[in-house]
Amino acid sequence: AQTVTQSQPEMSVQEAETVTLSCTYDTSENNYYLFWYKQPPSRQMILVIRQEAYKQQNATENRFSVNFQKAAKSFSLKISDSQLGDTAMYFCAFRDFGNEKLTFGTGTRLTIIP
Amino acid sequence: DAGITQSPRHKVTETGTPVTLRCHQTENHRYMYWYRQDPGHGLRLIHYSYGVKDTDKGEVSDGYSVSRSKTEDFLLTLESATSSQTSVYFCAISENSASPDEQYFGPGTRLTVT
Repeated sequence: AQTVTQSQPEMSVQEAETVTLSCTYDTSENNYYLFWYKQPPSRQMILVIRQEAYKQQNATENRFSVNFQKAAKSFSLKISDSQLGDTAMYFCAFRDFGNEKLTFGTGTRLTIIP
Repeated sequence: DAGITQSPRHKVTETGTPVTLRCHQTENHRYMYWYRQDPGHGLRLIHYSYGVKDTDKGEVSDGYSVSRSKTEDFLLTLESATSSQTSVYFCAISENSASPDEQYFGPGTRLTVT
């Protein structure tokens, strides 16, 4: 079974700084997808960024980028120029190709300090 | 935003009573999912559906049943609620498992079993 590990339960950073959230996963599959979801205090789950394992290029979405290291099974999220609205729980998630099931990590609570 | 609603949004019930949570979508997506979110566990899949009347178990399905008689509705039933089922329940939908399509999440239902 796949597992997703987020080793940082909580993090905080000053506004405008850069922060990196770590995620590692375990799988024997070669084709899969990785996601970062954000859950603000409103509780709504919002997709931040996604990565296909067969793509070597790291995904980017504006201030959000990932460092995908397939051999190391690592998928970290970098938030640049952090903003107060980035305060949220962040979940890393994994899905096999052709499999409907998402496996989530336990989350990292990120606080942006004014 | 994807058209997903959950009802009720909050519910308090007593141990041993049956409870049904409803998820309704207006996107005509094929796949629907029920997750529960608990501190220290992230989101865990309870059951999912890949079509009308087609459902399968997730990793934490004991004590839960589901039904999908229409594309737009996916019901989660706790036959006899227990305190361990106190949680926040999320419904999600997706269009196609054989792609990196994201799962879109509903707003969540907070269930308290006393």
